Amino acid sequence: AQSVAQPEDQVNVAEGNPLTVKCTYSVSGNPYLFWYVQYPNRGLQFLLKYITGDNLVKGSYGFEAEFNKSQTSFHLKKPSALVSDSALYFCAVNQAGTALIFGKGTTLSVSS
Amino acid sequence: DTEVTQTPKHLVMGMTNKKSLKCEQHMGHRAMYWYKQKAKKPPELMFVYSYEKLSINESVPSRFSPECPNSSLLNLHLHALQPEDSALYLCASSQDPRGHTSYEQYFGPGTRLTVT
Repeated sequence: AQSVAQPEDQVNVAEGNPLTVKCTYSVSGNPYLFWYVQYPNRGLQFLLKYITGDNLVKGSYGFEAEFNKSQTSFHLKKPSALVSDSALYFCAVNQAGTALIFGKGTTLSVSS
Repeated sequence: DTEVTQTPKHLVMGMTNKKSLKCEQHMGHRAMYWYKQKAKKPPELMFVYSYEKLSINESVPSRFSPECPNSSLLNLHLHALQPEDSALYLCASSQDPRGHTSYEQYFGPGTRLTVT
């Protein structure tokens, strides 16, 4: 069965510093991996995805993610955090159908 | 246009009421989804419509009844709900759902439902 894990409930970072939100996955074949962000009282917004090819994927709002097959990880990164990046981030995997499997979510808090 | 719209934004209903949630997209997507989300938790899949036909029902109680009148619209009819059904209900859509799982989903802003 496929699954995705986000080991951190919360990540705190100062504005201007780099940020990383961690995600690991477990699938039996090649995964399709996604990152979504949810701002308070809003729906989820798609940030980026990995399908195949280059292991470094660039997405919206300056975010990028690195696919690492040997470590089964897909960590979300940004070189310089903004206060406006503070939100709830979900990693998700999709392999065997139309049902996305979400991680539990990580709250990112960026302080000024 | 990558927008999914949902109405109403907020809904308060009693346990004996009947109400409906509405969702609309004009991206030509042929898969549409209903999710339930509790605070600070990941969305839980409820239903999937593929080409206007119900393809997945995640063992959702019958007090929730989905409907897909056409390729752009998705409804969720509510009847005799329980207080524990209070949550944010999210609609989403994506391109060709037939085995092409690389497509991202686009989410609406949700309907905040409170059952009293």
